[in-house]
Amino acid sequence: QVELQESGPGLVKPSETLSLTCTVSGGSISSYYWTWIRQPPGKRLEWIGYIHNSGRTNYNPSLKSRVTISLDTSKNQFSLRLASVSAADTALYYCAKSKSFNSRSPFDSWGQGTLVTVS
Amino acid sequence: DIVMTQSPDSLAVSLGERATINCKSSQSVLYTSNNKDDLAWYQQKPGQPPKLLIYWASTRESGVPDRFSGSGSGTDFTLTISSLQPEDVALYYCQQYYSSWTFGQGTKVEIK
Repeated sequence: QVELQESGPGLVKPSETLSLTCTVSGGSISSYYWTWIRQPPGKRLEWIGYIHNSGRTNYNPSLKSRVTISLDTSKNQFSLRLASVSAADTALYYCAKSKSFNSRSPFDSWGQGTLVTVS
Repeated sequence: DIVMTQSPDSLAVSLGERATINCKSSQSVLYTSNNKDDLAWYQQKPGQPPKLLIYWASTRESGVPDRFSGSGSGTDFTLTISSLQPEDVALYYCQQYYSSWTFGQGTKVEIK
């Protein structure tokens, strides 16, 4: 069973860049789609974007201008950068793995989540 | 975006009784190429990430007890817990993966 673990600063200043890393263990980061999801306090889960080991990315249009997701296969990690953050980006951030090799897939493995506060 | 709307927002059910959660999508999530609905259900307990219970609207994930079942097609879906157990107290979310990914607002299940 693949395990995922988010890491990164828990506090980011407004207008700066949020950076998180997800480390994958118990399996290769090859194949599958590796995804970032967030949940602002009191709000529903929101898909941020994904990266495939081919390098292909896809981002939520509402965040696309500020988001970059990258992959480091040598470290079995993928990362999220969200630029120009504001209080609205305060959320619990999760990384997750697609269940299938197809992008049309739910998520069968999740990290524990990391709270990022913008203040 | 496909908007997912769950009902009710919360429900309290006696132990051993049936719990039913509904989910409605703003457009069909039936993928006609394979005739499967791109609809999943998750369970989330406090301090834990969501756990995949059901995908393709009615297929149970490995290891999920058979008291959990999913039904529906197109735009209307249901998650049923046939006999509520104490460990089923949680938030439940539906999610569509037909067009990107969007989630319902969640339904809180409690013991009556």
